[in-house]
Amino acid sequence: EVQLVESGGDLVQPGGSLRLSCAASGFTFSDHYMDWVRQAPGKGLEWVGRIRDKANGYATDYAASVKGRFTVSRDDFWNSLSLQMNNLKTEDTAVYYCTRAIRGEHRFYFDFWGQGTLVTVSS
Amino acid sequence: DIQMTQSPSSVSASVGDRVTITCRASQDISGWLAWYQQKPGKAPKLLIYAASSLQSGVPSRFSGSGSGTHFTLTIHSLQPEDFATYFCQQANSFPFTFGPGTKVDVK
Repeated sequence: EVQLVESGGDLVQPGGSLRLSCAASGFTFSDHYMDWVRQAPGKGLEWVGRIRDKANGYATDYAASVKGRFTVSRDDFWNSLSLQMNNLKTEDTAVYYCTRAIRGEHRFYFDFWGQGTLVTVSS
Repeated sequence: DIQMTQSPSSVSASVGDRVTITCRASQDISGWLAWYQQKPGKAPKLLIYAASSLQSGVPSRFSGSGSGTHFTLTIHSLQPEDFATYFCQQANSFPFTFGPGTKVDVK
């Protein structure tokens, strides 16, 4: 059974840093692209960033709203995905979801999601 | 960025009804569109990918169609477990963007 379990969400002051983790199990983690998607309270979904697999050089992409502040990384030995968030802003307050991306024809889609972890940025 | 819009923003329906949700992209995304279902307090669930391909395990009462800039999600006979919010998402190019959601609630 595929499982994605996020952790690390917390209350943090503006300008602060936080690191989220996602523990993956039930599938060959190293074979998959992985993404972070967030959802502000009562709002819609916003894609945050992606990390590709080793075959694609672990290349990353980010949303403009987080580029330069957030870093996605992975550890294929420990089947773990991370999101390092620096210089946090109040607008980063959201539930952060770890997602697995699967190839559907010629594009990737988010087929499994974790339960989410809440990040609150407030003074 | 590609902007995604959905209509209606909410729809009230009864069990057994056919429900159709529309999603539009601000530019041509070919068929690179997904539909997700989200229930309160839960993570989204992938229903449809590549505009019309049913994700494994998803009931066949869900179907998707469209290409270019206009897409639809149809629930052919609404079941009690289908009351939820539905989001479309374009997978054509970065940054991936989602529609604002359509809430399906009880009439």
